[in-house]
Amino acid sequence: DTEVTQTPKHLVMGMTNKKSLKCEQHMGHRAMYWYKQKAKKPPELMFVYSYEKLSINESVPSRFSPECPNSSLLNLHLHALQPEDSALYLCASSQDPSWPSYGYTFGSGTRLTVV
Amino acid sequence: DAKTTQPNSMESNEEEPVHLPCNHSTISGTDYIHWYRQLPSQGPEYVIHGLTSNVNNRMASLAIAEDRKSSTLILHRATLRDAAVYYCILIRDDYKLSFGAGTTVTVRA
Repeated sequence: DTEVTQTPKHLVMGMTNKKSLKCEQHMGHRAMYWYKQKAKKPPELMFVYSYEKLSINESVPSRFSPECPNSSLLNLHLHALQPEDSALYLCASSQDPSWPSYGYTFGSGTRLTVV
Repeated sequence: DAKTTQPNSMESNEEEPVHLPCNHSTISGTDYIHWYRQLPSQGPEYVIHGLTSNVNNRMASLAIAEDRKSSTLILHRATLRDAAVYYCILIRDDYKLSFGAGTTVTVRA
C-alpha cells in the first residue's frame, strides 16, 4: 500500500459544529503532516507529527486540534470554524522526519466548506 | 526557510521536452532539493529529489548546478497529463516541506 487515504473527501459544516478529518497510511512512515490549501494558492503547513508526537505547530488557531492516535492514523478535529477556514485540507507522510532524503506522499485531500 | 524562485508559468507542446528552472541561491550544504507537482483537484505528487548529483527516474530528470544554487527539472516528453503546478522545495533537517508559488505548466496538444 503506497497511499495516504483521507476521509471524507467533502465536508460541509456549520460554524457551531464539531467534525473530524481522518488520514491513514500503511507505509510505515513515521512523520505525518497537515496542510491547508486555499484556492489557487500553494499548500501551507499546519502541523507536523514525528513518531506520533506533535513537533511543529505553525501558529494554527486552537479551533483546529490535531491528534495522532497511532503511527498509521492522523486526525484533525474541527470546532467553531469560520467561513474563511473553507479550504482543501491535505495530509502527507514521509519515511522519517530526520531524513529529508525521502519523498513525501500526499493524500487527495478533504474539501471543507464552512457555512 | 531557504527560499526558491521559479517562473510563474511555462508553456510547452505535447511530446516536446520541458525544462523548469529553480533558483535557490541561499541553499545550505545539507538541504535537499525536492520537486512536487499538483494536478487540478488533486494533492501534490512527488516527482524527484536530489542533493548534489543529477538524478533520473521514470517521471523526470533533475539537473543540479555544480554550486547547487539552481536546479532544473526536465520532463523529457510532455504529455497533456503533465499539465500541473510544479513546486521546487528545499528541505532541511527540520522536515518542513514549505511550498512556494510554483510554476504552472500548460501543455498544448
